[in-house]
Amino acid sequence: AQSVTQPDIHITVSEGASLELRCNYSYGATPYLFWYVQSPGQGLQLLLKYFSGDTLVQGIKGFEAEFKRSQSSFNLRKPSVHWSDAAEYFCAVTRGSGAGSYQLTFGKGTKLSVIP
Amino acid sequence: GAGVSQSPSNKVTEKGKDVELRCDPISGHTALYWYRQSLGQGLEFLIYFQGNSAPDKSGLPSDRFSAERTGGSVSTLTIQRTQQEDSAVYLCASSPQTLPYNEQFFGPGTRLTVL
Repeated sequence: AQSVTQPDIHITVSEGASLELRCNYSYGATPYLFWYVQSPGQGLQLLLKYFSGDTLVQGIKGFEAEFKRSQSSFNLRKPSVHWSDAAEYFCAVTRGSGAGSYQLTFGKGTKLSVIP
Repeated sequence: GAGVSQSPSNKVTEKGKDVELRCDPISGHTALYWYRQSLGQGLEFLIYFQGNSAPDKSGLPSDRFSAERTGGSVSTLTIQRTQQEDSAVYLCASSPQTLPYNEQFFGPGTRLTVL
């Protein structure tokens, strides 16, 4: 079964600092990988996704993520954090095809706090 | 256009009561999903509907949980004889189709509190 690990439960950064949120997945074949963001009281919004091709993917709000097969990782990065980025971030995985390919498996999430 | 909507936004109920949670997907989206977000378990898949196909109920935690989707649009998640462990945020999502994979658009969720 596929699984996702987000090692950091809570991260605090200063506004303007760089950010990296870690995500490790467990899946036998090439997964489809996603990063979602959830602001308080809001649903999940897709930041970016990786299906195939270029391992560095660009998303909305200035976020990017890099797929590293050898490390089973899909870390999310942003060069300069804004106060409005404070939210909870979820990494998710699904299989590319076959039974259950629509089921997203989520990590436990990383809560990001931003110091003004 | 409007996004996925869910109602109610908050629901407080007493243990043993039945509750119904509603999801209105984005118009034209054929696939609909329910997830549960709880403190202990994180985000979990519950059930999936695609068009007129039989739903995938593999994520439902017990037979107290059921869901239906009428007319290929609105969906209702029903929890019978609620228990305190059912307290969670229930999220609904929809997508245009599932294959090739399409982005799932999430609603704001229904926060269920079982006293």
